[in-house]
Amino acid sequence: DIVVTQSPDSLAVSLGERATINCKSSQSVLYNSNNKNYLAWYQQKPGQPPKLLIYWASIRESGVPDRFSGSGSGTNFSLTITSLQAEDVAVYYCQQYYDSPLLFGQGTRLEIK
Amino acid sequence: QVQLVQSGSELKKPGASVTVSCKASGSTITRHAVNWVRQAPGQGLEWMGWMNTDTRKPSYAQGFKGRFVFSLDSSVTTAYLQISSLKSDDTAVYYCAGQPRGGVAFDLWGQGTMVTVSS
Repeated sequence: DIVVTQSPDSLAVSLGERATINCKSSQSVLYNSNNKNYLAWYQQKPGQPPKLLIYWASIRESGVPDRFSGSGSGTNFSLTITSLQAEDVAVYYCQQYYDSPLLFGQGTRLEIK
Repeated sequence: QVQLVQSGSELKKPGASVTVSCKASGSTITRHAVNWVRQAPGQGLEWMGWMNTDTRKPSYAQGFKGRFVFSLDSSVTTAYLQISSLKSDDTAVYYCAGQPRGGVAFDLWGQGTMVTVSS
């Protein structure tokens, strides 16, 4: 199984500041034939289903604000939120969809400092 | 734009069965795959497996083989999750999540169905 591990488990950032969440996979999720990393990021607010933010490690889903960005390749990835807004308070999950089982990270709780 | 609408909350006794539905509003399920994800109270997301909407072939994650069954109606508008011999550990919110062809992760989610197993 390709396990994905997030860090930190929780994070408190001031409004307007930058937040960075890391995700490490136990094996590479880079598909060599198309040079794409099969790594996604989701945002989940209380009482809501997860929402896709980023796929292929760095492609923003339609409608996602450009303060959200994804980076990394192979086994190391990051989600960065520049200029944190109050509505960004949520739990964030990374997920590898390179190979079954399509495991999620344990989640990172983002709060306002 | 298609949405996935799930059935309402369920309260079941241990040993009973439950079926959760996931219906595409106004269309067929326009996704290559329907995945099922479990979230126990206060916990993270757990992938249960998926169904290929073209071949109707289900695939189950370890830990979800035996008591869990994925199915799809003939018109490809509604996906189903059946859980038999319910245990208290099955208490969770269950989500269906659509995945388009081409590896764009889970871009369409149902609102979730809370299943509570209690005597």
